[in-house]
Amino acid sequence: GESVGLHLPTLSVQEGDNSIINCAYSNSASDYFIWYKQESGKGPQFIIDIRSNMDKRQGQRVTVLLNKTVKHLSLQIAATQPGDSAVYFCAEDRSGGYQKVTFGTGTKLQVIP
Amino acid sequence: EADIYQTPRYLVIGTGKKITLECSQTMGHDKMYWYQQDPGMELHLIHYSYGVNSTEKGDLSSESTVSRIRTEHFPLTLESARPSHTSQYLCASRGRGSNQPQHFGDGTRLSIL
Repeated sequence: GESVGLHLPTLSVQEGDNSIINCAYSNSASDYFIWYKQESGKGPQFIIDIRSNMDKRQGQRVTVLLNKTVKHLSLQIAATQPGDSAVYFCAEDRSGGYQKVTFGTGTKLQVIP
Repeated sequence: EADIYQTPRYLVIGTGKKITLECSQTMGHDKMYWYQQDPGMELHLIHYSYGVNSTEKGDLSSESTVSRIRTEHFPLTLESARPSHTSQYLCASRGRGSNQPQHFGDGTRLSIL
């Protein structure tokens, strides 16, 4: 069946460095991908999304890259800050139907001051 | 900003009690969702709704039920709580159209003794 998974369960990064969080998905019918950030005690918060007709999308300090050939998604965070410490989830979605979203297992990002 | 509200935030209650977890959103979204999430783990869809009087079960089998009498309100009920129901419950909503991210509440952390 379809699945969305992350390669690294925990990522430790020095403050100021760039972070890269990776995600693999298996459903080639997925055409919309979302990254969420979940801080302790809170619900997931939308960070950035990308549609399958794009390879790259940039936000404020964040960039999402999509490689449909190998079904890979990554989130890049520039100049990582302590406030970026959280669990990051990727999610895949398909247009039409009830738009069920499939979430990956999450990667915990630890920023070292 | 919190446009989707969940109450209570925390609940510790004994086995056999009837529980209702509240979820309300002020964005006028048609689609609403309930997820179950163990700490640091992925989100599992347990119920969703396309709109008023529309409810469906999700991927994860759950003994809970939901109702959607008003667009803004999507409560989840456990008729007889058991220790296996101990978890975090997250409510989400999303707007019409394709490629819309979900907006999450901060969750209810439920502990059944």
